[in-house]
This record gives sequence, structure tokens and C-alpha cells, in this order.
Amino acid sequence: DGGITQSPKYLFRKEGQNVTLSCEQNLNHDAMYWYRQDPGQGLRLIYYSQIVNDFQKGDIAEGYSVSREKKESFPLTVTSAQKNPTAFYLCASGDSYNSPLHFGNGTRLTVT
Amino acid sequence: SQELEQSPQSLIVQEGKNLTINCTSSKTLYGLYWYKQKYGEGLIFLMMLQKGGEEKSHEKITAKLDEKKQQSSLHITASQPSHAGIYLCGAARTSGSRLTFGEGTQLTVNP
Repeated sequence: DGGITQSPKYLFRKEGQNVTLSCEQNLNHDAMYWYRQDPGQGLRLIYYSQIVNDFQKGDIAEGYSVSREKKESFPLTVTSAQKNPTAFYLCASGDSYNSPLHFGNGTRLTVT
Repeated sequence: SQELEQSPQSLIVQEGKNLTINCTSSKTLYGLYWYKQKYGEGLIFLMMLQKGGEEKSHEKITAKLDEKKQQSSLHITASQPSHAGIYLCGAARTSGSRLTFGEGTQLTVNP
């Protein structure tokens, strides 16, 4: 079955530590996205990539980093510079302009 | 400020009742997307609207985009507990632009 896999589903980290969230897709989509979801704020775009080895900042990129070395993979690193990292993180992919995005099941990150 | 406003923020209905969720933009949209989300899970695509006045239906859910392409409504007929969840609208301002999302509408359907 084709789809997007995010792992792990739950992640706990101590403040000051970097943490990497995994996102893998087997849909052969060119574009991949990372969103952050907080209660009452909808989805906010962190980073996106429309092609391998290229990515752009979204609306809230500060404190995050990404890489796109393979078409299938788009990992997100939450660095210690992110002031409020506890949130639900969603990865998505799309195969062309204006087509609907496909979403993974999310990773809930808790930093204490 | 939010580019997309959704209303209401939350909705509680009795099973069997009809309901409507709205999504409004101050600017003309290129495309409007409706998604459903169960708490703690990913978003499931429902429908996409691109033409002014367009209307699409799937089972008991109907989505419409107004002629000006600034407002969309999602209507559920004879609601069921399985319709419960968070409904989000997403929109593209121009062809190929990334999606922005509304804050979502939390729907509860009581048996």
C-alpha cells in the first residue's frame, strides 16, 4: 500500500536536545511538507521541498532544519533553538501543483 | 492574522441533524480543499473545489465554493457519529502555491 509513514508516533525529549522526526513516502511524490499543529491554531507550514536537494522555509522555520537527500525521505530536526517545540507534527506529500496533499499520521513531540 | 477563517470553531449536534461549516477568505482563492482529521491522526482528504460556483458531494457530505471563490461551505446531511472529528479547509492563493489552512472546526455528533 502506498502512503506516508511518520515515526515515531510519540517522542519525548529533554529541553536542550535536538530531535529528528522521520517522514518516508512511497507515493513517488515530488513535493513534501512539514506542518506543525497546535490547539486552536490549525496547521502552520515549517518547511517544504519540491525537489530532491532543495527546500524552502515556511512560515515558522526558526529552530527547525530539514534535508531532502532522497525523493522518499524528508526528515525534520527540531533543534534546541526552537523555543516551544512541544506540538503535533504532520508530514505531507503531493505529486503536482494543485493536487491534494497526502498526510502521514503525525508525531506528537513532548519536550520537558 | 489567519488568511482563512473557519466557523464555527466547534459544533455539537444530535445524530440525524444536518450541519454546515464555513470557510472564508478575504482574497480570491485558486483552489479550496476540505480535510477531516480524527484527534491525534493525520488529515484525510475529502474534496477539492476550484471553479466558482462549484459543488461536489460524497455520500452525505456536500461542499460548495461561491462564485467569487472566497467562501466555501461543507454541509453534512443526517449526521452520524462517524462524522465526528476536526474539519479543516485549506486553500491555495495561486496555481502551485503552498496551502494555508484554517483553524479547524471540531464536530461532535451525539448518538
